[in-house]
Amino acid sequence: AQKVTQAQTEISVVEKEDVTLDCVYETRDTTYYLFWYKQPPSGELVFLIRRNSFDEQNEISGRYSWNFQKSTSSFNFTITASQVVDSAVYFCALSEARRGNEKLTFGTGTRLTIIP
Amino acid sequence: GAGVSQSPSNKVTEKGKDVELRCDPISGHTALYWYRQSLGQGLEFLIYFQGNSAPDKSGLPSDRFSAERTGGSVSTLTIQRTQQEDSAVYLCASSTSSGGAGELFFGEGSRLTVL
Repeated sequence: AQKVTQAQTEISVVEKEDVTLDCVYETRDTTYYLFWYKQPPSGELVFLIRRNSFDEQNEISGRYSWNFQKSTSSFNFTITASQVVDSAVYFCALSEARRGNEKLTFGTGTRLTIIP
Repeated sequence: GAGVSQSPSNKVTEKGKDVELRCDPISGHTALYWYRQSLGQGLEFLIYFQGNSAPDKSGLPSDRFSAERTGGSVSTLTIQRTQQEDSAVYLCASSTSSGGAGELFFGEGSRLTVL
């Protein structure tokens, strides 16, 4: 069975600080996909990134970066120079690529508050 | 509109009543998901439709819950004999891809309150 663990329930940082959101996953499959979604106060989840299990190259997109390490089954998300607009709940998610088992399993989310 | 549309946005019902929640996915998206988000909780998978394949109903919490997708487009989630623990935001999402790789586009959700 697949499982996603986000141990950090809530994090608060002062604006402009860097912050890392942790994500640890469990799966029996060798082919799978990892995702991060953002849920701002408005409530609608927004896709941030997708990685497949064969691509461990870290990715950077502006102030956002993701560190995928298969050895530790982790897919951590770092925001540098945080801004108030980054305040949201962030969800890590996993899907297995086997046909018939494509549902996305979410972690419980990390509520990030950026203090001005 | 271009996004996933859900209705109603808010529904207050009395315990024991049946409710129907509707999801209109993005045109052309073959995959459709229902999730439930209870207050302060993560997203709980309910059901997944992909094209003409049999739906994955493995997340439905009880036989009071059912869902259908007509014509490969609009989906309706039905909760019969609602209970207070059914109170949550019900989120619908659609995607173009099968095989688990697709980016999900979410609607704004239907907030259900059972009194």
